[in-house]
Amino acid sequence: GEDVEQSLFLSVREGDSSVINCTYTDSSSTYLYWYKQEPGAGLQLLTYIFSNMDMKQDQRLTVLLNKKDKHLSLRIADTQTGDSAIYFCAAGGGATNKLIFGTGTLLAVQP
Amino acid sequence: DTGVSQDPRHKITKRGQNVTFRCDPISEHNRLYWYRQTLGQGPEFLTYFQNEAQLEKSRLLSDRFSAERPKGSFSTLEIQRTEQGDSAMYLCASSPLAYNEQFFGPGTRLTVL
Repeated sequence: GEDVEQSLFLSVREGDSSVINCTYTDSSSTYLYWYKQEPGAGLQLLTYIFSNMDMKQDQRLTVLLNKKDKHLSLRIADTQTGDSAIYFCAAGGGATNKLIFGTGTLLAVQP
Repeated sequence: DTGVSQDPRHKITKRGQNVTFRCDPISEHNRLYWYRQTLGQGPEFLTYFQNEAQLEKSRLLSDRFSAERPKGSFSTLEIQRTEQGDSAMYLCASSPLAYNEQFFGPGTRLTVL
């Protein structure tokens, strides 16, 4: 079945850029998502990209997709302490578009 | 607030008891999903409704679990004879049929003692 993997932890300094990486196995995944989860809270949809796109930019967020390598990344420019959270990559597609999530990357932003 | 809502937010129960959770999706969202998230893991898909029809169930959804969406609006997830392994956050998400964005509720945290 589909598998989605992420590195567990990333630490950056405030003002730097953060890059969170994700790999997935199912080449038929149609949509790839990034969600943010703060402690005790639900999942907040940050952005998603259609599989026929290479890049999507939305304010401080840039998503890069390498479909050949099945690699997805999320770049956060000018990272702020409020960006500290767990970031989940997810792959979806098919008739139901159920999402398969990675284990999440904890982003710690140091002041 | 027009987001996805879930009730209760927290539930503590004793092993063997039955529990029921409710999800109210965003108005007019045809698609409704249930996921389960355990500590340190990403959410795992449980089941999917399109309007009132339950179209997919995960192998994770044992016979003790049942979900309904009787009028195509709110949904309930019931767990019978709870076990300690059922302790998790249960998340509900909804989506319009024509779009691919899934919006999540705050979740119901279940603790089985």
